[in-house]
Amino acid sequence: DAKTTQPPSMDCAEGRAANLPCNHSTISGNEYVYWYRQIHSQGPQYIIHGLKNNETNEMASLIITEDRKSSTLILPHATLRDTAVYYCIVRVIGQAGTALIFGKGTTLSVSS
Amino acid sequence: GAVVSQHPSWVICKSGTSVKIECRSLDFQATTMFWYRQFPKQSLMLMATSNEGSKATYEQGVEKDKFLINHASLTLSTLTVTSAHPEDSSFYICSARDIGQASPGELFFGEGSRLTVL
Repeated sequence: DAKTTQPPSMDCAEGRAANLPCNHSTISGNEYVYWYRQIHSQGPQYIIHGLKNNETNEMASLIITEDRKSSTLILPHATLRDTAVYYCIVRVIGQAGTALIFGKGTTLSVSS
Repeated sequence: GAVVSQHPSWVICKSGTSVKIECRSLDFQATTMFWYRQFPKQSLMLMATSNEGSKATYEQGVEKDKFLINHASLTLSTLTVTSAHPEDSSFYICSARDIGQASPGELFFGEGSRLTVL
């Protein structure tokens, strides 16, 4: 799977949008971009995934650049409960039986 | 959404004893489950892939005789840490994918099991 690069930490004020970048410049055409987050002492939580089109769900929006070499996860109105480590992972399509390989992620701190 | 449950959520044991951790998919079936461990301030590290009805596949550096994995049914995988030592103290997390879900789908994670070996 392609390697991803994320900033180690970010801060965000409560109520503001949190924009978390991810670089995956070596991504292949058959790889999806996944985002998970891990709140302290809990298991990872799925947020969103996409291939090349922008995606939105009740939790967040995923913006993927046209060349697919980078993406941004957007939490539109961050709350204190969004404080967590956010992981950007790329994964090959069709490999449903393969695990997610986690990098170091971005620690997002939301403050009031 | 789909739920993966782990038990126990935390356990303390004496050095030299064995500890079993269960991972259950509560509302879906999973032919494959994955086991991770996470040390403080570090990311999740994949330990092994658990396959229903067959032997688990271990990542390089993970001792298969120390970390016994059994995937007896489509909803249950167990990880047994044998002869546990303090260095085995960690946060163990499992994940699974619903076999009825269209590809590529998402992996669901358990709440984690914190093991402390004294």
